[in-house]
Amino acid sequence: EAGVAQSPRYKIIEKRQSVAFWCNPISGHATLYWYQQILGQGPKLLIQFQNNGVVDDSQLPKDRFSAERLKGVDSTLKIQPAKLEDSAVYLCASSFRTSGTPDTQYFGPGTRLTVL
Amino acid sequence: GENVEQHPSTLSVQEGDSAVIKCTYSDSASNYFPWYKQELGKRPQLIIDIRSNVGEKKDQRIAVTLNKTAKHFSLHITETQPEDSAVYFCAASRGFQKLVFGTGTRLLVSP
Repeated sequence: EAGVAQSPRYKIIEKRQSVAFWCNPISGHATLYWYQQILGQGPKLLIQFQNNGVVDDSQLPKDRFSAERLKGVDSTLKIQPAKLEDSAVYLCASSFRTSGTPDTQYFGPGTRLTVL
Repeated sequence: GENVEQHPSTLSVQEGDSAVIKCTYSDSASNYFPWYKQELGKRPQLIIDIRSNVGEKKDQRIAVTLNKTAKHFSLHITETQPEDSAVYFCAASRGFQKLVFGTGTRLLVSP
């Protein structure tokens, strides 16, 4: 089966500019996650969708970050305006179930963002 | 909220030796504990997971143990090979609540 797709793979912007990332989960996966992975650290959950509803966005800096998942499939994550500390790899992941026993999260290749 | 601590941060072993990575978690209600392997520049990939109703799980050279009373779980890799070199992350969650990752262990297996 096809994996989680993300684009772009790399992005370089200047601070205060805006940027958007796109994610296409594995077909049929109801739950979609966006993580931020700063160099040398573990992934940190930014937002979790079940179908097109938000389950957890407690760690999303809502003054500058926004995300949506239209029609419960693809998702976009936007940063506006970007700060230097937003430099990181943004990982999208998806999983099949929405309840019961948690199942495997499959990660996409990530988007490496550099803010200058 | 959940907090996951992981040790050691780096681990160097000789090929054929065993490697053990340990994690502790803070939320006693956490019940799902996956381990991910991340090679340089690549995406994290699940290598094994364990749920709170099981104390140990094995998959070939990899095993995970869970001690719910002490709130810690460990990854054991036997007969290490150079291709095992990567960063390993533990994680914990309560059901479908957010997965909280540890800080990672860089494993280097020397031939």
